[in-house]
Amino acid sequence: DAKTTQPTSMDCAEGRAANLPCNHSTISGNEYVYWYRQIHSQGPQYIIHGLKNNETNEMASLIITEDRKSSTLILPHATLRDTAVYYCIVRVAWFNTGANSKLTFGKGITLSVRP
Amino acid sequence: NAGVTQTPKFRVLKTGQSMTLLCAQDMNHEYMYWYRQDPGMGLRLIHYSVGEGTTAKGEVPDGYNVSRLKKQNFLLGLESAAPSQTSVYFCASSYLAGDALSNQPQHFGDGTRLSIL
Repeated sequence: DAKTTQPTSMDCAEGRAANLPCNHSTISGNEYVYWYRQIHSQGPQYIIHGLKNNETNEMASLIITEDRKSSTLILPHATLRDTAVYYCIVRVAWFNTGANSKLTFGKGITLSVRP
Repeated sequence: NAGVTQTPKFRVLKTGQSMTLLCAQDMNHEYMYWYRQDPGMGLRLIHYSVGEGTTAKGEVPDGYNVSRLKKQNFLLGLESAAPSQTSVYFCASSYLAGDALSNQPQHFGDGTRLSIL
């Protein structure tokens, strides 16, 4: 699986949009970009994933550059409860076999939302 | 709407003791996983299962055994606990998509915090 690079930390004001960047310059054509987050003392929580098109769900939006070498997770109106470690992961999707379905978590980016 | 449930939530063991961590999911998922998370590191895959009766090794399988006798349960065993196995253990499950190009997210439990003295 391709390696991802994320800043160590960032902060944003409550109510503002939080834009979390991720570089994945070695991504392959069949690799998806996933975002998870982990709030203190809880298990990782799935947020969103995409292949090449921008995606949006009730939690966030995912913007993937045209060359797919980077992406941005957008939390449109950050709240204090969004303070967490956010993980950007790329993973092969083909055949969705057990060997390819594992997630490789790096150190993530710590988002701090301030009042 | 339980999702993935892990028991116990906390446990303290002495070196050499054995124990089993239980993971149960009620989403009818085919795939199940056991990860460990240590300070300053990401999650590392211990073992996984692609279906009832099947298991496979992940990145850090040594010192652990697993069983998947029922589709909804995935057990992680420590036969002889060592201090290096002090960690937070997470179980996850995911659905097997029929479309090879689609992907299903993994759903995680809230972890078991294990300390080995």
